Amino acid sequence: DVKVTQSSRYLVKRTGEKVFLECVQDMDHENMFWYRQDPGLGLRLIYFSYDVKMKEKGDIPEGYSVSREKKERFSLILESASTNQTSMYLCASSPGGEREQYFGPGTRLTVT
Amino acid sequence: AQSVSQHNHHVILSEAASLELGCNYSYGGTVNLFWYVQYPGQHLQLLLKYFSGDPLVKGIKGFEAEFIKSKFSFNLRKPSVQWSDTAEYFCAVTGSARQLTFGSGTQLTVLP
Repeated sequence: DVKVTQSSRYLVKRTGEKVFLECVQDMDHENMFWYRQDPGLGLRLIYFSYDVKMKEKGDIPEGYSVSREKKERFSLILESASTNQTSMYLCASSPGGEREQYFGPGTRLTVT
Repeated sequence: AQSVSQHNHHVILSEAASLELGCNYSYGGTVNLFWYVQYPGQHLQLLLKYFSGDPLVKGIKGFEAEFIKSKFSFNLRKPSVQWSDTAEYFCAVTGSARQLTFGSGTQLTVLP
């Protein structure tokens, strides 16, 4: 079974803090993705990566950055957290191309 | 840009009722189609997928979906729902973009 793990299930941060969300997959997948999930909006893609040290912007990259130093690890960074970044953050991986994605359990981030 | 519409935001059914959730996408080329499910407190998981071939695809837990190319639709069906089917259901598509585009989701509540 594919396993995608995220570093925290719940996180509370203050406005202006730098926030790191970590994601690790154990299936040697090429592709990794970060989404945020908000009620009524579904999942929106923040950033994705098709290879180590490679990243591409998704639909809503503003206020976020990412890092992929190793194939199995994909980090999402909020440089200066704001209250409108309070959300559920989901990480996913896929074997490549347009294949199905496998999701982690999510991190519910609250910015106060 | 491709988009996905799920017109039913919240569906309430009694156990044993039949289910059909609508999904329409906008993209004229070749698509891969997916339905994901998120049970309360659990991570997003793949219900079924369509890449090519028979347009009627069967997934886990008795779900099926039919791809109708002329209608740009990929509706999810189940002949008889159970209380345990209570969850949020997301339709997703890959087409012009290599990444998944998700619909806004449909919350299904099954009354015992």
